Amino acid sequence: AQSVAQPEDQVNVAEGNPLTVKCTYSVSGNPYLFWYVQYPNRGLQFLLKYITGDNLVKGSYGFEAEFNKSQTSFHLKKPSALVSDSALYFCAVRDTLSYNTDKLIFGTGTRLQVFP
Amino acid sequence: EAGVTQFPSHSVIEKGQTVTLRCDPISGHDNLYWYRRVMGKEIKFLLHFVKESKQDESGMPNNRFLAERTGGTYSTLKVQPAELEDSGVYFCASSQGSSPLHFGNGTRLTVT
Repeated sequence: AQSVAQPEDQVNVAEGNPLTVKCTYSVSGNPYLFWYVQYPNRGLQFLLKYITGDNLVKGSYGFEAEFNKSQTSFHLKKPSALVSDSALYFCAVRDTLSYNTDKLIFGTGTRLQVFP
Repeated sequence: EAGVTQFPSHSVIEKGQTVTLRCDPISGHDNLYWYRRVMGKEIKFLLHFVKESKQDESGMPNNRFLAERTGGTYSTLKVQPAELEDSGVYFCASSQGSSPLHFGNGTRLTVT
């Protein structure tokens, strides 16, 4: 079955330190991977995606993610965290068994808390 | 450009009652999706419209859920009768072409 796992419910990091939010996936065929962020009382906002090409993908707000095929991972990273990065982060993969290119399979989300 | 708009932002109803959620996609977006997040779990796909046509409703949990998209514009999602397990946040999203999904702020539904 196709799935996405975000093993950490919460990640705590001090402002200015690097952050990593982990994501692993299981999908048939080539994965199309996404990260979305949800700020309090807001909808999901697209951060970045991996379709093909360079394994390091750069996105909004200084975030980047590294695709690792052998480890089936797509971890989200940022070199220096800001307090304003505190939010709920969702990893997603396109359902490759569907014709529907926007049918996404999401993880359970990871709450990032950045402390001053 | 106005984003995806959802109404209401919150709804509290009793078990057995009916609730209708509304979504206004970004103007010009043919694709409209409903997703749901139940009690801190993963966000799950419910269904997909292209214009006024249902293309994929494989994620709809049961026949108590009815989605419509009048004239290919806004969409409604009706739950009738509501059950306790329907509580969660219902997200609407729209897209056009190869653009990423644009999500609304969601409707938080609480069934008591």
